[in-house]
Amino acid sequence: GQQVQQSPASLVLQEGENAELQCNFSTSLNSMQWFYQRPEGSLVSLFYNPSGTKQSGRLTSTTVIKERRSSLHISSSQITDSGTYLCAMEDNNRIFFGDGTQLVVKP
Amino acid sequence: EAAVTQSPRNKVAVTGGKVTLSCNQTNNHNNMYWYRQDTGHGLRLIHYSYGAGSTEKGDIPDGYKASRPSQENFSLILELATPSQTSVYFCASGDSGQQFFGPGTRLTVL
Repeated sequence: GQQVQQSPASLVLQEGENAELQCNFSTSLNSMQWFYQRPEGSLVSLFYNPSGTKQSGRLTSTTVIKERRSSLHISSSQITDSGTYLCAMEDNNRIFFGDGTQLVVKP
Repeated sequence: EAAVTQSPRNKVAVTGGKVTLSCNQTNNHNNMYWYRQDTGHGLRLIHYSYGAGSTEKGDIPDGYKASRPSQENFSLILELATPSQTSVYFCASGDSGQQFFGPGTRLTVL
């Protein structure tokens, strides 16, 4: 079955540093989605990114379908960026999640 | 207004009891999904539905049933709850690949 590998599993940054989160997929996919999970548990959709690059503020998502990978770049990190970042691949209207990257941004 | 809502938001149940988790969506999506998330992991698919009257098994369906009585509503049913079903449950709706999630239900089975 489909497998989604995220790296790193955890990351600690000093405020202002940049971060690059990676997601790799074991099989071909139709599209992928990046989520931010707040410390209290709710999920926020960051990007729905079938392919290519999308930017929203300090966040940039790049997906290369043929290479089965996606990345999320966070620039000039802030304390409020702390939380868990989940990537998920979509295949035939089903979503398969990675285990997430836990990010802590320190002052 | 939130397009995907769940109730209850928190639930404590006893082993062997029946638990019903409810989900409502106003997105008019055909597809709805139930996931569980355990500490330190991503979400795993329990059941999903392509429309009213349909339910399909996901990756971890054992111990769970689902019901889709209408386009808007999708329920997850634990007939005989067990402590291993203590988790956070998320409902989602979505067509064409992108999914939209509810706020989650925290279930504790004692």
